[in-house]
This record gives sequence, C-alpha cells and structure tokens, in this order.
Amino acid sequence: NAGVTQTPKFQVLKTGQSMTLQCAQDMNHEYMSWYRQDPGMGLRLIHYSVGAGITDQGEVPNGYNVSRSTTEDFPLRLLSAAPSQTSVYFCASSLDSTGELFFGEGSRLTVL
Amino acid sequence: AQSVTQLDSQVPVFEEAPVELRCNYSSSVSVYLFWYVQYPNQGLQLLLKYLSGSTLVKGINGFEAEFNKSQTSFHLRKPSVHISDTAEYFCAVSDPRRGGAQKLVFGQGTRLTINP
Repeated sequence: NAGVTQTPKFQVLKTGQSMTLQCAQDMNHEYMSWYRQDPGMGLRLIHYSVGAGITDQGEVPNGYNVSRSTTEDFPLRLLSAAPSQTSVYFCASSLDSTGELFFGEGSRLTVL
Repeated sequence: AQSVTQLDSQVPVFEEAPVELRCNYSSSVSVYLFWYVQYPNQGLQLLLKYLSGSTLVKGINGFEAEFNKSQTSFHLRKPSVHISDTAEYFCAVSDPRRGGAQKLVFGQGTRLTINP
C-alpha cells in the first residue's frame, strides 16, 4: 500500500517558470490537501478538496492552482514561480473530517 | 482566525528523562486538537488527537496529551524518552464546523533532541 505519493521530490525552477507538483493516494480518501512548510512557520494550508470536482482555498492560495478530476489525484500548479515559493510542499489525504491526515514525503522546491 | 503557539522552538532532553512540549491555541469555540511528529526528511505522522470526551488522550509511542479548555492548552508529555524520539513535533488545531481535520492550523514546531 503506497499511501500518499508525491513527485518530484526535488525541483529547481527559475523565476517565472511554471510547474506541477503531483500527488496521488491509493486509500480512496475523499479529502486531500496541500500544505507548505517554511522554517519557523510550521505548515500552512494552500488548497484543499473534499471530493472530486470540489476544491477550496486555504490560508495561502495566491500563486497556486489546483483541480481534482479524480478521487486519487490532486495536482498543485505553480503558475509563475517566485522566490517566495521556495519551500517544502506536502500533500495529505484523509478519510473524513475527523480523521488522521496521511502525509506524503514532501517535495522540496527551490525558485531562483 | 485560529492560531497555535508552541512555546518552545527547541527542547533538549537526556535519554530516559520525562519531557513536556507545550502548546496553546486561541479559540473560544469547540476545537479539534492534534499532535503530529516529523522525523528527518519525512512527512508528518499523527501522534494523537482530541475530538471530544476524555481530556487525557493517549497516543502512539508512549505519548499522551491533556486538553485544558480553561487554559486553552494541549501539552504533550512522555514519561521517559528514547533516542528515537528525536524529531520535530507540531501541534495543530481545527474548527469542527469549518472543515474539521481537513483545515488544520499548525504551530511553529518544537524540535526535540534526545541526548544520551
């Protein structure tokens, strides 16, 4: 059972480039979310989804887009990368609103 | 908006000593509370959670936490730590009426270092 899988694990971008961070889960969880982790700031919610076709913004959504066409996948798109988006990104999934969040191993993004 | 304050950014402890990691949250309404652990270069794992009921919550690896509504605290404790407990620990809160565990607000993290 793979759980939550994120790709790529590492990525370096130049300012202005776009890219997509992939996230897939094989636990048939309805809820999925993206967080970013920055030193001294804990994790902050970017976007989340409560099911296929339904997404909503979190605390820090600017500069990011998401979509949820299937239960399994929840990609995060950076439209025009900025140095402020240098961070470690975590995807997570959960069975329901009271349940444990299962996290991927993270994607470390550096924007030059 | 909800917020979480972890009062110590770093806590060094000797092996087999007890430890307490402090967490305070700001909310006047009912909340869900969580502690997650992050080992180096890994994602986060749930240690324990409080949704309702008994204020003393037991989790994995011998950790426990006590919900104190009057002090808006949710401190994490372990009576005897091991080298393998070295990790970063995050306290998190959510509003059951607004997304529950899907919309967590995390504290800044506490780095626990166990010395032999």
